[in-house]
Amino acid sequence: NAGVMQNPRHLVRRRGQEARLRCSPMKGHSHVYWYRQLPEEGLKFMVYLQKENIIDESGMPKERFSAEFPKEGPSILRIQQVVRGDSAAYFCASSYSRDNPGGYTFGSGTRLTVV
Amino acid sequence: SQQGEEDPQALSIQEGENATMNCSYKTSINNLQWYRQNSGRGLVHLILIRSNEREKHSGRLRVTLDTSKKSSSLLITASRAADTASYFCATDAGYNQGGKLIFGQGTELSVKP
Repeated sequence: NAGVMQNPRHLVRRRGQEARLRCSPMKGHSHVYWYRQLPEEGLKFMVYLQKENIIDESGMPKERFSAEFPKEGPSILRIQQVVRGDSAAYFCASSYSRDNPGGYTFGSGTRLTVV
Repeated sequence: SQQGEEDPQALSIQEGENATMNCSYKTSINNLQWYRQNSGRGLVHLILIRSNEREKHSGRLRVTLDTSKKSSSLLITASRAADTASYFCATDAGYNQGGKLIFGQGTELSVKP
């Protein structure tokens, strides 16, 4: 069991470009959560998805950010027209149920740098 | 201030000493979790304590929860240099909140050999 896999580990984008971050949940997990960690801060919830459904996107910025979790393949967090303030570490977590009694498994994150 | 505040922000101790970190939160919870993050890495789940539990142990870790004070503490006994990391508490409001976690700002622990 490879755990939660995120790629790329590091991503550099110029202002105005698009960033695509991928997350493959643990085997058997159908619930995916995205969090953002700004420098020197804790993680902030962004979005919760199940296969083909967005369950809770209350933490997503209203513009430029979108997420999907298709029937096949990894979950994708997409940031259009990136700005310097998007520079952060983006973490994905997965669980096998919504009411997860055992804690969440996190990936190693994608560190996005906008230059 | 926000849910899941922690103190101290930074803690420096010698190997062999105990380290205590505290976490306060504001709303009702289903459970509270502690995570460790080594520099530049992802989060590792350490321990989960449910709202109807008061204390839980796992190896050198001891977690307490006081729901009346909305606070929790994480004690690491006989610390080692390898315990150097940032520690975060995270509250889970349960099913109706979609299982999303609210994290504190973290405590940066440094254990000197």
